[in-house]
Amino acid sequence: RKEVEQDPGPFNVPEGATVAFNCTYSNSASQSFFWYRQDCRKEPKLLMSVYSSGNEDGRFTAQLNRASQYISLLIRDSKLSDSATYLCVVSSNRDDKIIFGKGTRLHILP
Amino acid sequence: DVKVTQSSRYLVKRTGEKVFLECVQDMDHENMFWYRQDPGLGLRLIYFSYDVKMKEKGDIPEGYSVSREKKERFSLILESASTNQTSMYLCASAKWAYNEQFFGPGTRLTVL
Repeated sequence: RKEVEQDPGPFNVPEGATVAFNCTYSNSASQSFFWYRQDCRKEPKLLMSVYSSGNEDGRFTAQLNRASQYISLLIRDSKLSDSATYLCVVSSNRDDKIIFGKGTRLHILP
Repeated sequence: DVKVTQSSRYLVKRTGEKVFLECVQDMDHENMFWYRQDPGLGLRLIYFSYDVKMKEKGDIPEGYSVSREKKERFSLILESASTNQTSMYLCASAKWAYNEQFFGPGTRLTVL
């Protein structure tokens, strides 16, 4: 099993729809989880951290499921500007290791 | 605002040349990282540094070396560039190694 796995997509979603994607991880000792957003030809930027209790920021909701070892990102009322690649990031304090997923491409269609 | 800058946005070099990529951060972060990003392969860690003069190999260190003489500056060196090192190179810094990373704008290197 790969350390961090994401569906590469692309997800083609009409504007205004809700879209969700998951990311699975293999290291049960992982402690920190993040979603980054990367626009075409730009650097990744932190979108949100993922806490055990879940995290909501406007239209974006991130959840962590430790039992099944996955994190999810839900985007409600999607906008054209949400088109990007979303990178899942998992890290372990124990070994100071941070692993990036390969990303899920999202296209919001007008 | 955290700022990570990289010396060049685009670079074209010839096979066998020595290449220096510079990265500077202004947030007094202890940890700095060099990644390369290729289509279908995602971000791959080349080297990281958790303190001045300290370095650790990442997943793909072969063909690269690094230098960290000052806390704010982390350099990636390609001793003898090869065509398979054509890639996007991203530098990042973080307060703690397992926490949020701030990325520079990237250097797109082409080796002919």
